[in-house]
Amino acid sequence: DQQVKQNSPSLSVQEGRISILNCDYTNSMFDYFLWYKKYPAEGPTFLISISSIKDKNEDGRFTVFLNKSAKHLSLHIVPSQPGDSAVYFCAANMNTGFQKLVFGTGTRLLVSP
Amino acid sequence: KAGVTQTPRYLIKTRGQQVTLSCSPISGHRSVSWYQQTPGQGLQFLFEYFSETQRNKGNFPGRFSGRQFSNSRSEMNVSTLELGDSALYLCASSNGQNDLGYTFGSGTRLTVV
Repeated sequence: DQQVKQNSPSLSVQEGRISILNCDYTNSMFDYFLWYKKYPAEGPTFLISISSIKDKNEDGRFTVFLNKSAKHLSLHIVPSQPGDSAVYFCAANMNTGFQKLVFGTGTRLLVSP
Repeated sequence: KAGVTQTPRYLIKTRGQQVTLSCSPISGHRSVSWYQQTPGQGLQFLFEYFSETQRNKGNFPGRFSGRQFSNSRSEMNVSTLELGDSALYLCASSNGQNDLGYTFGSGTRLTVV
């Protein structure tokens, strides 16, 4: 039962253009969402997060949008750079007091010069 | 500050053997979580330890176990290894309270032959 889904295993974008990575979830109890970036042979690194009380959060080139009614979030990267090429995971958490993130399966982003 | 340290980085074991992986969290972090990453499955939550107590557990068989020491270092053990246990095992630390973002280690790549 995949509660967090990233339906696009890969995405190719040209440098300077916008990258849009999508994520859907099924559990309405999730109230906090995060995006992580992962390079090969390294652990995931935290990128940006959003609370369910917001619909947008921006940090530099990265913006996360949350549509609670659709149970959908997206990560926008503008402008995309070759160094952004990595696997991106979305993750969701419930405010249970425990630390248990539910991750999607990841989207491999390739930004070509 | 030093990051999350996982040892060893790579490990090759034979079916039926057992293995112990180690994780040293960021200094001051009391929560350590373990995840298994396999191709196509994303990151699957194994368990979380906080102040030497297991607070949460994922849907893995009893062959997977862990513990946390008083200095917050954590170990996970897998007994009676199966080929399907081949994966990247990631450890993440956080303060375990209001910090909902993890810091991940680089992982231990376990290959079972």
